Amino acid sequence: QKEVEQDPGPLSVPEGAIVSLNCTYSNSAFQYFMWYRQYSRKGPELLMYTYSSGNKEDGRFTAQVDKSSKYISLFIRDSQPSDSATYLCAMSESTGNQFYFGTGTSLTVIP
Amino acid sequence: KAGVTQTPRYLIKTRGQQVTLSCSPISGHRSVSWYQQTPGQGLQFLFEYFSETQRNKGNFPGRFSGRQFSNSRSEMNVSTLELGDSALYLCASSSTGGRVLTSYEQYFGPGTRLTVT
Repeated sequence: QKEVEQDPGPLSVPEGAIVSLNCTYSNSAFQYFMWYRQYSRKGPELLMYTYSSGNKEDGRFTAQVDKSSKYISLFIRDSQPSDSATYLCAMSESTGNQFYFGTGTSLTVIP
Repeated sequence: KAGVTQTPRYLIKTRGQQVTLSCSPISGHRSVSWYQQTPGQGLQFLFEYFSETQRNKGNFPGRFSGRQFSNSRSEMNVSTLELGDSALYLCASSSTGGRVLTSYEQYFGPGTRLTVT
């Protein structure tokens, strides 16, 4: 079983829709949770990070962590064509810098 | 501030050859991590270097090795290339990689696309 599972999609939504992206994980020691966005032919860029459980909001993006269910989500409100990219979740334990990534969900926002 | 740079951007090699990829982190960053990205497996951690020492290592064979120089620049080497090594190799830098949350912010380079024929 992989450490982190993520539905690869592809996901296609109309402009203005609310998008929900999710990851599940098996390692209860994970405490740091990150979401990255990767455009075609580019490296991933950090969107948001959270520590432990709870919600974090940044503009149109909201990250949620439910450690009891080992489940994290990223919500994108009022989605835009420029949000079209692959979204990767990543997690790490409390020490060191080893990140475990999901395989990514490909999102297309249709104008 | 300049971002993470990787060279070369594209590389074609033949099975059995070896290859060296280079990564220059953001100025002031001391941690460099390397990842392999493939469509089927996603991003897989190779190793992390901090102050010229390998601090973490993923589950890859010994054909994959790396090093970090005193200026924090890093190189990764793959010997005896196999077809399955074809992938995008990404490096990421962060400030310390320590316990402070903000140090978990990794900044990725654009990657080196390696094709093994």
